[in-house]
Amino acid sequence: SQQGEEDPQALSIQEGENATMNCSYKTSINNLQWYRQNSGRGLVHLILIRSNEREKHSGRLRVTLDTSKKSSSLLITASRAADTASYFCATLSNNDMRFGAGTRLTVKP
Amino acid sequence: DTAVSQTPKYLVTQMGNDKSIKCEQNLGHDTMYWYKQDSKKFLKIMFSYNNKELIINETVPNRFSPKSPDKAHLNLHINSLELGDSAVYFCASSPESGNTGELFFGEGSRLTVL
Repeated sequence: SQQGEEDPQALSIQEGENATMNCSYKTSINNLQWYRQNSGRGLVHLILIRSNEREKHSGRLRVTLDTSKKSSSLLITASRAADTASYFCATLSNNDMRFGAGTRLTVKP
Repeated sequence: DTAVSQTPKYLVTQMGNDKSIKCEQNLGHDTMYWYKQDSKKFLKIMFSYNNKELIINETVPNRFSPKSPDKAHLNLHINSLELGDSAVYFCASSPESGNTGELFFGEGSRLTVL
């Protein structure tokens, strides 16, 4: 069964704009991870945030985690056409990792 | 230099056939997984092996049988293929047992059952 649910399902923005994707989950977690999947390719790990962390940065990526609301957000700043992909959150809970259905991001040049 | 490689990338076959997908990782990881991604992009874990031992076996039909000859390989054999088996199957590996860390995915094997 799925754990994380991403929102929105699809997002279309112009190059240079920021993109925000959200993930909600149901059970307590050990950590939450974000992955990117280009069309026809495998998933690539982007960033991991532990349950005792609230915010993490990596380059143009910013992830927040609110365990009281059981939600996380992924912000991509100054988006580029190459950021076009599907983005998935994955929650780890008791050695069990579950993925959401993903947000399809399209960045128009 | 591919870290997690799986073959074949595409597989088209008839209902009722038996097929295998192979996966190899050269990262020295202890844990390997098989995931299934359906047409709606839902990614669901099927199996997890740690150092050749099965540690996760989700509710998957008995027609699916993973085999791990060594910790660098995890193959997936599917018997009596059905239309609903059509999906993209991803192999992944993780450096930590207990599924605590980052997953490294292969490029996927797209299975089409006619």
